[in-house]
Amino acid sequence: KAGVTQTPRYLIKTRGQQVTLSCSPISGHRSVSWYQQTPGQGLQFLFEYFSETQRNKGNFPGRFSGRQFSNSRSEMNVSTLELGDSALYLCASSLGGLAGGGSDTQYFGPGTRLTVL
Amino acid sequence: AQSVTQLDSHVSVSEGTPVLLRCNYSSSYSPSLFWYVQHPNKGLQLLLKYTSAATLVKGINGFEAEFKKSETSFHLTKPSAHMSDAAEYFCATGRNNNDMRFGAGTRLTVKP
Repeated sequence: KAGVTQTPRYLIKTRGQQVTLSCSPISGHRSVSWYQQTPGQGLQFLFEYFSETQRNKGNFPGRFSGRQFSNSRSEMNVSTLELGDSALYLCASSLGGLAGGGSDTQYFGPGTRLTVL
Repeated sequence: AQSVTQLDSHVSVSEGTPVLLRCNYSSSYSPSLFWYVQHPNKGLQLLLKYTSAATLVKGINGFEAEFKKSETSFHLTKPSAHMSDAAEYFCATGRNNNDMRFGAGTRLTVKP
């Protein structure tokens, strides 16, 4: 079974631009979560989508948004890029049927490394 | 709210010697606990997961972890380090997908 794939793997943007990252989950997984990883802040939860709906959101500004399609693929968008948005963005997928209880195992993609100049 | 603390930012061992990576958790209920490994320029790979079925959890690549409620710990061990084990290791806790909280990471160096 293919793993989680993320595209593109590397991106270079300038301040003020916007960017869209894509994530294809493992076949059969309905939940997709996004994380930002930086040397200073570590791994931080951005948001989670399940069945095309944002189910939970971390503590990030509204410039960070996402969506999920009917085939469970997900995209995240960052508008008005800032230098501090430079990071590795990781996507994780899981079966996702455990909202409200239990803990689902998340499987991670290789990440998209975003550099903002 | 649940959280994890990794007690060492960097651990260095010689090849063939035991590995111990320490993680303490804080949770008001029975937590789910995870260990992930990240090699350079790669995503996170799940090593093992604890969900209260057994306190000693065996994972991939010879790693295991023991859940100790009295010490609120979930330390990762391996009897004999291999050069390929050199990587960043993350302890994490979560009840639901949205509650996934990661430690700051421990960088493991393996000397020949």
